Amino acid sequence: GQQVMQIPQYQHVQEGEDFTTYCNSSTTLSNIQWYKQRPGGHPVFLIQLVKSGEVKKQKRLTFQFGEAKKNSSLHITATQTTDVGTYFCAANTIKAAGNKLTFGGGTRVLVKP
Amino acid sequence: GAGVSQSPRYKVTKRGQDVALRCDPISGHVSLYWYRQALGQGPEFLTYFNYEAQQDKSGLPNDRFSAERPEGSISTLTIQRTEQRDSAMYRCASSSGLVKQFFGPGTRLTVL
Repeated sequence: GQQVMQIPQYQHVQEGEDFTTYCNSSTTLSNIQWYKQRPGGHPVFLIQLVKSGEVKKQKRLTFQFGEAKKNSSLHITATQTTDVGTYFCAANTIKAAGNKLTFGGGTRVLVKP
Repeated sequence: GAGVSQSPRYKVTKRGQDVALRCDPISGHVSLYWYRQALGQGPEFLTYFNYEAQQDKSGLPNDRFSAERPEGSISTLTIQRTEQRDSAMYRCASSSGLVKQFFGPGTRLTVL
């Protein structure tokens, strides 16, 4: 079945530094979404990528969809304490009906001030 | 406006009991999704509805789990004869289209 892997599982970052988290799928995707879950909170939608090679930016966050539509990345620049949380990618396969999402295991981000 | 609401927020039950978890989606949202999230893991798809029609229930672990959305709005996830392995956070989400899903606060189920 559909599998979505995220690496790293944990990311300890010094405040002000940059980091990247990666999402890889075993199958070609129709689109990919990213969600952020703060400690004790619920997942909150960040963005959706649809096109091969697509790059989208939200302030300090840069999202990229791979050319083969099997992987994606999230790059955060100048990390702040507000970036703490778990970042999930969620994949929507081409064959899936509707908006059935398969979530990755998430990257837990801890920021050291 | 109001977001997705779920009740109860916490449920502690004894093994073998039935539980019903409720989800009230954002008004007007066509699609409603149920997920289960274990501690430290991503949400795991259970089932989803468009209006009152259950479109996909492939994620339901076994026949003890069922869900309904009879009037296309509020949904109930029922777990019969609960087992300790059913303990998890159960999350509901709704959407108006094929893009972002809005998640509720979840119901933390503990089976003793």
